[in-house]
Amino acid sequence: DVVMTQSPLSLPVTLGQPASVSCRSSQSLVYSDGNTYLTWFQQRPGQSPRRLIYKVSNRDSGVPDRFSGSGSGTDFTLKISRVEAEDAGIYYCMQATHWPPTFGQGTKVEIK
Amino acid sequence: EVQLVESGGGLVQPGGSLRLSCVASGFTFSSYWMSWVRQAPGKGLEWVAKIKQDGSEKYYVDSVKGRFTISRDNAKNSLYLQVNSLRVEDTAVYYCARQGPGYWGQGTLVTVSS
Repeated sequence: DVVMTQSPLSLPVTLGQPASVSCRSSQSLVYSDGNTYLTWFQQRPGQSPRRLIYKVSNRDSGVPDRFSGSGSGTDFTLKISRVEAEDAGIYYCMQATHWPPTFGQGTKVEIK
Repeated sequence: EVQLVESGGGLVQPGGSLRLSCVASGFTFSSYWMSWVRQAPGKGLEWVAKIKQDGSEKYYVDSVKGRFTISRDNAKNSLYLQVNSLRVEDTAVYYCARQGPGYWGQGTLVTVSS
């Protein structure tokens, strides 16, 4: 299985400051159709995961534009330009290029 | 509005069985791949299984192969997961999810304990 490694695992952030989460895969995530199936999810305490970003950099409807995704091949990044209180939670990357889809361990974003 | 509502979880002894259900609304259910994803208490996410729109293709993670069966009834807008030979390590919240997965249900908790 493809191993997804996130860093850091814990990220204390001051309100209004930027935050960045890294995700690395053990294999290239470029699929035979040319797409890269790397997705980011947010999970707030007590809630189901919510998709934020798909195919590396495409933001889901309703997701604030302070969230952005980038990367290629095996290295990917989720950035929050200015953290707000509602951004507290755990962020997961997931690859769906190879079966089975696999998730990173999660990065806990805490507001200082 | 897309809604996915799971049910069927509960407390079961090791070796036992359950049938999880997910009722979908707010979209054309028969047009989407559907999946089950689980999350052990306080842990990360694990994809369990997925099924094609017409049920003709099914895929499972190795840890559940031969024990879990995913199915769907497009006439009832419903997704199912038959879980047999349950183990303690199958304890988790089981989420129904639509292709992507772009949408998730609220989950149903399966607890395997003696």
